[in-house]
Amino acid sequence: EDKVVQSPLSLVVHEGDTVTLNCSYEVTNFRSLLWYKQEKKAPTFLFMLTSSGIEKKSGRLSSILDKKELFSILNITATQTGDSAIYLCAVEGNTGNQFYFGTGTSLTVIP
Amino acid sequence: DAGVIQSPRHEVTEMGQEVTLRCKPISGHDYLFWYRQTMMRGLELLIYFNNNVPIDDSGMPEDRFSAKMPNASFSTLKIQPSEPRDSAVYFCASSGWERGHNGYTFGSGTRLTVV
Repeated sequence: EDKVVQSPLSLVVHEGDTVTLNCSYEVTNFRSLLWYKQEKKAPTFLFMLTSSGIEKKSGRLSSILDKKELFSILNITATQTGDSAIYLCAVEGNTGNQFYFGTGTSLTVIP
Repeated sequence: DAGVIQSPRHEVTEMGQEVTLRCKPISGHDYLFWYRQTMMRGLELLIYFNNNVPIDDSGMPEDRFSAKMPNASFSTLKIQPSEPRDSAVYFCASSGWERGHNGYTFGSGTRLTVV
């Protein structure tokens, strides 16, 4: 059965810290991996990764994929309280039409 | 575009009652997905449609759940009869040609509480 596992489940850091969130997967015929940020409402798209070793970057957030070891990381540098959210990882498998979500990592950034 | 629109935002109902959740996807998107989110199980795919046709409903928990998409701009998820364990946030998402770059776009969700 296809599976997406995120770690840690929750994390509390101080403003200015750097955090690394992990996503490992076992999905048949991998196509892509996505990261979403979910605050109080709907998940919002952050990154889509399809190729190993190519870093995607947006401001203080960056992500990279390792298709050999079947995982991805999401890094957030110089964290701010506004980064507090649940970060979801989703992987697209062989159907090509649906994504399998992990249960998320809950990040809390305290002043 | 106003994005994916879901209604109602909140629903509180008594056990045994019928509940209908509504979704309007982004215009032009040909895929529509219904997800349920709980603390214990995270985001679970219930069913998805392509061009208004249900493709995979294997995630629908039981016969009490049904979903329809009568046209490209509207879908419903119905629970009849509802039970307390159905309490969750239900998300609708849609995707289209740009899915290769942006994945899904989610609606704001319907928070369902069955008492």
